[in-house]
Amino acid sequence: TQLLEQSPQFLSIQEGENLTVYCNSSSVFSSLQWYRQEPGEGPVLLVTVVTGGEVKKLKRLTFQFGDARKDSSLHITAAQPGDTGLYLCAGRTTDSWGKLQFGAGTQVVVTP
Amino acid sequence: GAGVSQSPSNKVTEKGKDVELRCDPISGHTALYWYRQSLGQGLEFLIYFQGNSAPDKSGLPSDRFSAERTGGSVSTLTIQRTQQEDSAVYLCASSPGGGRVETQYFGPGTRLLVL
Repeated sequence: TQLLEQSPQFLSIQEGENLTVYCNSSSVFSSLQWYRQEPGEGPVLLVTVVTGGEVKKLKRLTFQFGDARKDSSLHITAAQPGDTGLYLCAGRTTDSWGKLQFGAGTQVVVTP
Repeated sequence: GAGVSQSPSNKVTEKGKDVELRCDPISGHTALYWYRQSLGQGLEFLIYFQGNSAPDKSGLPSDRFSAERTGGSVSTLTIQRTQQEDSAVYLCASSPGGGRVETQYFGPGTRLLVL
């Protein structure tokens, strides 16, 4: 059983549409990160959130950390083909912050 | 600048053979992590080294798996008597000090196929 549940597992949209990816858990996290991974490469960090209710923006990407620090969302506005990739959320629990727990990922495909 | 490197990039082996996977972290990074990723899936934590502390081995799936980190730098993940279910991409990451908000920098992975 994954500590972090991501939904949906797969998302295919047209260029210009918006999308949201969710990351949920029953555990509390001291910090949560979002990574993007492209085929044949390792994941690359997009953002880190640490405060409940925190919202961070990275160009067309908006990340939110839940008030209780148990969930997070990633929203992409006006998606572009370059946004295609596997989006992974990862968190450190309050009792084991040396270990990063990953969700199963959401595969996003943006077609022109 | 030099990132995390892993070798080999691909490895095909026969069931029952032993394999060694190597990770060269970013120079100066004291924390090193190993993960396993099955096709299209998220990352499964295997083991974590932080400085001179005892490694966190809680993610190793069986006693066939072991890892060493020599001199606080290079790490080797060894899988003995490989099984077909060991086929996956093995990813290594390093970070400056292992803190709770640190970025982990990943290598490109080693793709292991056990026939």
